[in-house]
Amino acid sequence: SSELTQDPAVSVALGQTVTITCQGDSLRNYYGSWYQQKPGQAPQLLIYGQDRRPSGIPDRFSASTSRDTTSLTITGAQAEDEADYYCNSRDSSENYHVIFGGGTKLTVL
Amino acid sequence: QLQLQESGPGLVRPSETLALTCSVSGGSISSRTEYWAWIRQPPGKGLECIGRVYYTGTSFYDPALKSRVTTSVDTSKNQFFLRLSSVTAADTAVYYCARLNDLLPGKTFDVWGQGKMVTVSS
Repeated sequence: SSELTQDPAVSVALGQTVTITCQGDSLRNYYGSWYQQKPGQAPQLLIYGQDRRPSGIPDRFSASTSRDTTSLTITGAQAEDEADYYCNSRDSSENYHVIFGGGTKLTVL
Repeated sequence: QLQLQESGPGLVRPSETLALTCSVSGGSISSRTEYWAWIRQPPGKGLECIGRVYYTGTSFYDPALKSRVTTSVDTSKNQFFLRLSSVTAADTAVYYCARLNDLLPGKTFDVWGQGKMVTVSS
């Protein structure tokens, strides 16, 4: 099966912009989605498709995809954005399998 | 508003079968555009999609777990189920049920349950 690779940890100063990346072969052909998970909580859908946000997700969250990498950008990071972020997509080798990246822990300084 | 709720034992003995139920409220499990999934997260680790089931019972599983996993649905009760056999300590995790919305691009889980912690221990 294929994999999605994320940096384990990223930090950003309060109010600054940060980008979290997710790399994998499946992203060349299939959209990725992004999820936010705060401690003790279930993951929450953040971004899906080309750059679409569910209702209630602030517009400081955006995403883009280039070749085999999808990137989540937080413009003007807030203290409440400190969380784990996961990408997911379809497995390019196992036709119906769904895979997740290993997750990125974001620290807001 | 669709809600999912996991239920089942929080402690399972090694070599036995883990069995969880996800109850769906605020919508029908018989939707033709949605799959119903199980995702787990070992303590301090990342997310892993175990498998998903369609309202017809058609299921797809993580290749690494396929020999031990069964998912099913009961449309009359608006519930779906997970069974994981021959469990070991490595199966200790928070188990989430989630909706995979086939109307959305990619493989997108747009609704999640709160999660059920399951510990495998004698």
